[in-house]
Amino acid sequence: AQKVTQAQTEISVVEKEDVTLDCVYETRDTTYYLFWYKQPPSGELVFLIRRNSFDEQNEISGRYSWNFQKSTSSFNFTITASQVVDSAVYFCALLTYNQGGKLIFGQGTELSVKP
Amino acid sequence: DVKVTQSSRYLVKRTGEKVFLECVQDMDHENMFWYRQDPGLGLRLIYFSYDVKMKEKGDIPEGYSVSREKKERFSLILESASTNQTSMYLCASSVFSDNEQFFGPGTRLTVL
Repeated sequence: AQKVTQAQTEISVVEKEDVTLDCVYETRDTTYYLFWYKQPPSGELVFLIRRNSFDEQNEISGRYSWNFQKSTSSFNFTITASQVVDSAVYFCALLTYNQGGKLIFGQGTELSVKP
Repeated sequence: DVKVTQSSRYLVKRTGEKVFLECVQDMDHENMFWYRQDPGLGLRLIYFSYDVKMKEKGDIPEGYSVSREKKERFSLILESASTNQTSMYLCASSVFSDNEQFFGPGTRLTVL
């Protein structure tokens, strides 16, 4: 079965704190893709990153970084020096070919960054 | 920039009405998707389409149908709306099936 689990339903931090959003996935496929999306209060999901299963290199983009570890089936997302504008719901998602190319989303983590 | 637009941001309908939700993308993407989003459940796929006039059921197709007569337009139809279809509906498109999906702003549908 394919599944994505985001165990943290809500996280609240104070501005400038670092915060890590956890994502654990399940799949038996060897080829798959992992994604993170941000959904601000406006409602539109914004694509953040796509990672394929053969590339375990960590990635950094400004204050955002991602840690992909196949050994623990995790794809965690860290925001460094958080800002109020980072407040949003963040979704992790999995795509495998055995699912016909369908995205499987986690339940989402609502991040609240307070000034 | 990819633009995915949805016909309405908010919609209120009555039980039993036929409801059309329209989605248009302007980047010539092959693939289009309809999701519904409910608190605590994340996004769940209703239907998707890999080509014009082609459709595939997602995880929760019951009570819905779709139409894709043109490449850029993907419509979601609720034949007879029910209160349990009150939800946020999100449309998305992608160039290939393993690429990132781009989402529209969503339609918040309330069925009374």
